[in-house]
Amino acid sequence: AQSVTQPDIHITVSEGASLELRCNYSYGATPYLFWYVQSPGQGLQLLLKYFSGDTLVQGIKGFEAEFKRSQSSFNLRKPSVHWSDAAEYFCAVGDLTGGGNKLTFGTGTQLKVEL
Amino acid sequence: DAEITQSPRHKITETGRQVTLACHQTWNHNNMFWYRQDLGHGLRLIHYSYGVQDTNKGEVSDGYSVSRSNTEDLPLTLESAASSQTSVYFCASSDDSTGELFFGEGSRLTVL
Repeated sequence: AQSVTQPDIHITVSEGASLELRCNYSYGATPYLFWYVQSPGQGLQLLLKYFSGDTLVQGIKGFEAEFKRSQSSFNLRKPSVHWSDAAEYFCAVGDLTGGGNKLTFGTGTQLKVEL
Repeated sequence: DAEITQSPRHKITETGRQVTLACHQTWNHNNMFWYRQDLGHGLRLIHYSYGVQDTNKGEVSDGYSVSRSNTEDLPLTLESAASSQTSVYFCASSDDSTGELFFGEGSRLTVL
């Protein structure tokens, strides 16, 4: 069965500093990987996704993520964090068999941004 | 604009009562999902559907049921609510081509 591990429950960074959120996955085939962001009281919004091709993917709000098959990782990065980036971030792996796209999510990383 | 809406947004009920959470999407997506979100567990899949009359169990399906009679709706029913089902519930939908899930804003359920 597929699974996702986000080892950092909470991360605090200063505004303007760089950010890296870690994500490790377990999946038997080529993974479909996603990062979602959730602001307080809101649903989840897609930041970026990886299906195939270039292992460095760009997303919205200046985020990027790099797929590393050898490390089973899909870490999210941003070179300069803004106070509005404070939110919870979820990594997910997709099972696209059976004609659908069932996602398994990690437990999330809560990002706090210090001004 | 297309959207996905959940109702009610907040509900308080008592143990043993039947509860139904509604989910309606106007994306015309084939795939629909129900997740629950709990502290320390992230989002866990309850049930999902890949089309009309299709329903499947997720990893935490005990105590929940769904039905899919049309493309737009996937109601989630708790047959006999338990305190362990106090949670925030999210509905999501997707098409077959991109894999991206579109989420509703969530329904907060409290079972007393």
